[in-house]
Amino acid sequence: DVKVTQSSRYLVKRTGEKVFLECVQDMDHENMFWYRQDPGLGLRLIYFSYDVKMKEKGDIPEGYSVSREKKERFSLILESASTNQTSMYLCASPPRREGYNEQFFGPGTRLTVL
Amino acid sequence: ELKVEQNPLFLSMQEGKNYTIYCNYSTTSDRLYWYRQDPGKSLESLFVLLSNGAVKQEGRLMASLDTKARLSTLHITAAVHDLSATYFCAVDIYTDKLIFGTGTRLQVFP
Repeated sequence: DVKVTQSSRYLVKRTGEKVFLECVQDMDHENMFWYRQDPGLGLRLIYFSYDVKMKEKGDIPEGYSVSREKKERFSLILESASTNQTSMYLCASPPRREGYNEQFFGPGTRLTVL
Repeated sequence: ELKVEQNPLFLSMQEGKNYTIYCNYSTTSDRLYWYRQDPGKSLESLFVLLSNGAVKQEGRLMASLDTKARLSTLHITAAVHDLSATYFCAVDIYTDKLIFGTGTRLQVFP
């Protein structure tokens, strides 16, 4: 079974704090993704990574950075949290399969920035 | 611009009825995925469709893909309350990224 875990289900932070969201997959996947989900806006891609130390910007990278020092772990960093970053954050990772790219999601982190 | 449009965005239906959710996309692709999301939870994979004419069924849900029309459908047969959730389609654009639809929130009432 594919397993993607996220460090926190719920997180409350204050404006200006540095926030780390962690995602871990235990299946040696190469690709990992961070999305945010907001009502009426669907899922929007923030950053993704193809391999250790490799990262690519998604559609809404502003205000975020990422780190991938080990293959199994992909961290999303909010350098200085703002209230408009209150959202549900979802990590996803697809297994290495020939011919398709189905992504498996972690349980999500609901972040509230006060 | 790549677009994936679902309709309806919200669907309220009575138990026992049938209905179809539509997913239209604007680019060439023959790989499409359906996901289910329960309130407050993450996305769970439902169906993987990998070719024109692909059809998959699980219980009261059936998904199909028409790549020529750039259309996928999710058909609900004899709806039950347990199917209440938000359903997303996602189009594979061969770059390791997926483009997600906006989601269809389904509510089934007695």
